[in-house]
Amino acid sequence: DSGVTQTPKHLITATGQRVTLRCSPRSGDLSVYWYQQSLDQGLQFLIQYYNGEERAKGNILERFSAQQFPDLHSELNLSSLELGDSALYFCASSPGVYNQPQHFGDGTRLSIL
Amino acid sequence: ELKVEQNPLFLSMQEGKNYTIYCNYSTTSDRLYWYRQDPGKSLESLFVLLSNGAVKQEGRLMASLDTKARLSTLHITAAVHDLSATYFCAVDIRGAQKLVFGQGTRLTINP
Repeated sequence: DSGVTQTPKHLITATGQRVTLRCSPRSGDLSVYWYQQSLDQGLQFLIQYYNGEERAKGNILERFSAQQFPDLHSELNLSSLELGDSALYFCASSPGVYNQPQHFGDGTRLSIL
Repeated sequence: ELKVEQNPLFLSMQEGKNYTIYCNYSTTSDRLYWYRQDPGKSLESLFVLLSNGAVKQEGRLMASLDTKARLSTLHITAAVHDLSATYFCAVDIRGAQKLVFGQGTRLTINP
């Protein structure tokens, strides 16, 4: 058990819709990272938050947004969903701002119909 | 743009054999990471390599880093079926706090 909790485990929705993925980091970790894993793009870094502030941005689409709340949980919002957004979305956490993630959640599998 | 390439992408081997997975990257980096992913599961951190010449070993897996050649290797010794998984290397872009992953190597170890 990595200590990183993601909900829901699975999401099935339609094109054009909006969804929210949730992540609770490992106890004591202040950084949260979001990754997308798809067959065609592989594993891609999306965004990092540290103690409520955005710290690094990767290949995140403008239709996607994220935030980290005072209790350190994070949400990834995906809107105007397209078929190509179907993927496994991982959250990871680490103690500090400069560490890369050592602990990953089990992921949310998003299927767009 | 940093590119990370793994070789081979698919590897089928017999138990008891040795093999090496290669990870090449295109620009200067501070750190290199190896992860394991079982089918349908999350990523498990295996090794973090922080400097040139770094070598780390855990059981039948050994990882090394040559920053001058921009190359890391993951060596498997006397493979066992339990090591079947997909292995990813990932490189930290210096100063950008961004992890770039290789394509992954799907390793299948046959009895």
